[in-house]
Amino acid sequence: AQSVTQPDIHITVSEGASLELRCNYSYGATPYLFWYVQSPGQGLQLLLKYFSGDTLVQGIKGFEAEFKRSQSSFNLRKPSVHWSDAAEYFCAVGAATGNQFYFGTGTSLTVIP
Amino acid sequence: GAVVSQHPSRVICKSGTSVKIECRSLDFQATTMFWYRQFPKKSLMLMATSNEGSKATYEQGVEKDKFLINHASLTLSTLTVTSAHPEDSSFYICSARTDTDTQYFGPGTRLTVL
Repeated sequence: AQSVTQPDIHITVSEGASLELRCNYSYGATPYLFWYVQSPGQGLQLLLKYFSGDTLVQGIKGFEAEFKRSQSSFNLRKPSVHWSDAAEYFCAVGAATGNQFYFGTGTSLTVIP
Repeated sequence: GAVVSQHPSRVICKSGTSVKIECRSLDFQATTMFWYRQFPKKSLMLMATSNEGSKATYEQGVEKDKFLINHASLTLSTLTVTSAHPEDSSFYICSARTDTDTQYFGPGTRLTVL
């Protein structure tokens, strides 16, 4: 069965500290992987995506993610968190062809001064 | 990047009335759009896949007659919540799929049914 797991429901980090948000997936085919960010009351903004090639992908706002096939993971990282990064983060997996996206349950990030 | 808009951003209606939500891809054509529902502090629940020029595909448990979807053009899909009830109150988000298989999301519509 297809699924996405984000083990951390809520994470709190200090501003300037590094961040890693975990994402594990179960998918029967070659996955397309995505990270989205959602601010309160807003839609989802695409941070980055992985389709193929280099397993370390760079996104917007200084985020990066690494695809590890052996671990079925696609963790999101940022070396230095800013207060404006406080939001809900969603990992998603989709097929190389087809429409269905599967979302994780999200990780809520709080940034403290 | 690809931009998707939704209108209205907020709507309050009386129980029993119908509400239409529009989803537009502003700078690209989308043969496929998606409608999601998001409950507080929950992930997104896919309601239906909207295909231009054909009938929408609904997920299991989603009432077709209650949530009418029309995808009349390559840039517009509409979701009509018919005979709305308080339990339909939610945050509805649409997305549009580009030709690179990436979904771009609208800003969402907050529906409150009194």
